[in-house]
Amino acid sequence: AQSVTQLDSHVSVSEGTPVLLRCNYSSSYSPSLFWYVQHPNKGLQLLLKYTSAATLVKGINGFEAEFKKSETSFHLTKPSAHMSDAAEYFCVVSDGSSNTGKLIFGQGTTLQVKP
Amino acid sequence: NAGVTQTPKFQVLKTGQSMTLQCAQDMNHEYMSWYRQDPGMGLRLIHYSVGAGITDQGEVPNGYNVSRSTTEDFPLRLLSAAPSQTSVYFCASSYLPLLNTEAFFGQGTRLTVV
Repeated sequence: AQSVTQLDSHVSVSEGTPVLLRCNYSSSYSPSLFWYVQHPNKGLQLLLKYTSAATLVKGINGFEAEFKKSETSFHLTKPSAHMSDAAEYFCVVSDGSSNTGKLIFGQGTTLQVKP
Repeated sequence: NAGVTQTPKFQVLKTGQSMTLQCAQDMNHEYMSWYRQDPGMGLRLIHYSVGAGITDQGEVPNGYNVSRSTTEDFPLRLLSAAPSQTSVYFCASSYLPLLNTEAFFGQGTRLTVV
C-alpha cells in the first residue's frame, strides 16, 4: 500500500530564511508525487509534481523538491521565505495500485513565516 | 476561466437533515472526486467518477451519495447529516489517465452539523 508521511506538522521560519518541509513516501510502484499548497479558507493549488522525468523538480513561487528514491523522500524547499508563503502544505502520492485515481495525502504541514 | 466551482461555501445543518453539495467544472475533465478534510488527517476520498453515468466509492463513502448525469456536474448528497460529517469538503477534477495528472480543486464547502 502507498502512504505519505509529512515529518513536521508545523514549521516556523523567519522571512528571508530557507524553508524545508519534509515528506517521506512508501510505494510499491514508481510513484507520482505532488506538493499542494492551501492558503487559509482557499482550495488547494498545485506547487509542483514529480513524474519520473527529472529528480529535481521546480515549481511555482520559487519552490522546488528533490525526489530521492534511496531515501524515499520528496522534501520541499525554498531558498528564501516570503510572508505570502504562510499556508498549509500537503505532500501527495498518486495511488497507482488501484483504479480509483485516489490521491493519498499526508497530514499536512503548516508553515508560519515571521517578519 | 472558472475551473472547479463549489456551492455553498458555508453550511450549517441540524442532525438528520439532508442536503446536496454542488460541484461543477468547465474543463471537460472526465474524472471528478469528492474529498473531506479533517484536522491532522489530510484529505480522504469519499466518492469518485470516471465519466458521466459512472461512480464508485472511495475511502470514506458511508453517509454520502453521488451521481454523475453530465460531464460537468458531480453533486454530493448527505442523506441524514450527523455531527461526524462536520468537515471541509473539496471537489476535484482531472483528465484521464490519472497517473501524473494534476487535480484541480474547488474552494471547499465548510459544513457544520449540530
